[in-house]
Amino acid sequence: DAGVIQSPRHEVTEMGQEVTLRCKPISGHNSLFWYRQTMMRGLELLIYFNNNVPIDDSGMPEDRFSAKMPNASFSTLKIQPSEPRDSAVYFCASSVRGGKNTIYFGEGSWLTVV
Amino acid sequence: GEDVEQSLFLSVREGDSSVINCTYTDSSSTYLYWYKQEPGAGLQLLTYIFSNMDMKQDQRLTVLLNKKDKHLSLRIADTQTGDSAIYFCAGPYNTDKLIFGTGTRLQVFP
Repeated sequence: DAGVIQSPRHEVTEMGQEVTLRCKPISGHNSLFWYRQTMMRGLELLIYFNNNVPIDDSGMPEDRFSAKMPNASFSTLKIQPSEPRDSAVYFCASSVRGGKNTIYFGEGSWLTVV
Repeated sequence: GEDVEQSLFLSVREGDSSVINCTYTDSSSTYLYWYKQEPGAGLQLLTYIFSNMDMKQDQRLTVLLNKKDKHLSLRIADTQTGDSAIYFCAGPYNTDKLIFGTGTRLQVFP
């Protein structure tokens, strides 16, 4: 079975550019999460969706960040404009809501803003 | 809010046992989890324990849960160099999302 698929795996962009990260959750999963990982702050939950609806976006750092989930098999995390402090690994994860709530992670998108 | 805390580093010799500790605040957690992150990779689920259990063993892994003290530990027997990674404990909050600890970086030396 395919796991959570993220793209791009690596991106280097210049400050001020728009960055779009993409995620395809595991088929049948109805919860989707975006996490950010940095050395300084560890693993932070940015936003999560249940049945394509954003439930909690309190972790989104600024208005420059936005996330969408137009359907059950696709989500995007957009940063516009990007800044050097946005450099991090961004993980998408999915789960079946309820039960064990086991979350499965993608391999991450490694973003460097120069 | 929910908080999950771990020590940052652990260094052990190959063949010894490793014990990684975690404390959490949300007593309503029904499941608690251990994830492993190898360099350059995402987090992989290692094991989990249901909150009404005290212990769970899975091959070289033993999870101990002390609900009274809100303390969770992961013991790795016969630690190998391939076990070198970051280990995260996590607990559900509001039934929907997982809150992760800071991660413990385990270094295994020969």
